[in-house]
Amino acid sequence: QQQVKQSPQSLIVQKGGISIINCAYENTAFDYFPWYQQFPGKGPALLIAIRPDVSEKKEGRFTISFNKSAKQFSLHIMDSQPGDSATYFCAASRGSSNTGKLIFGQGTTLQVKP
Amino acid sequence: KAGVTQTPRYLIKTRGQQVTLSCSPISGHRSVSWYQQTPGQGLQFLFEYFSETQRNKGNFPGRFSGRQFSNSRSEMNVSTLELGDSALYLCASSLDGGEGEQFFGPGTRLTVL
Repeated sequence: QQQVKQSPQSLIVQKGGISIINCAYENTAFDYFPWYQQFPGKGPALLIAIRPDVSEKKEGRFTISFNKSAKQFSLHIMDSQPGDSATYFCAASRGSSNTGKLIFGQGTTLQVKP
Repeated sequence: KAGVTQTPRYLIKTRGQQVTLSCSPISGHRSVSWYQQTPGQGLQFLFEYFSETQRNKGNFPGRFSGRQFSNSRSEMNVSTLELGDSALYLCASSLDGGEGEQFFGPGTRLTVL
């Protein structure tokens, strides 16, 4: 009930291409779904987040698509750049419960080739 | 505004020892969460403190403990270290631990020999 499954484990994309990372969750009580980006030697940094009352959220080149009935959400990185090469984590939490607890997916290592 | 700071950044200990890690949250943030990051298990929630009280705890043994001070700074302690405790320990702060963004520090890399 607490698991978040993320795929693929690794991804190689050409510069200018679209990177797509998928996540699935089990606990229907989750109501906050953030994506984090982590560079080597750094802590994760929030990229974009969505709540289940919307099906899509876009910020610049980053878009989250959310399918509540399928309990899935995905991150799309448009016009991928070498600087986007990092590890991406999806996460889920019961934000309304004020627990400060994020359940993370296993991570996707993205490499964008020039 | 200064970010989340963690000290020390690197630590080497031997089995059986204990260790204390420190986290200073962003000014004004009252919630501090701790996570363990390993290649095999990924990012796992340890516990969260809010206003000096532990509000939530993950599935870790009692060797892992923490506390929070009145200025919101937090420490976590691991006693009787095991080889498997080698990991990057991250703390994250947020205003109230609810729906707001969690800001992560750079982590403390603990190596247990």
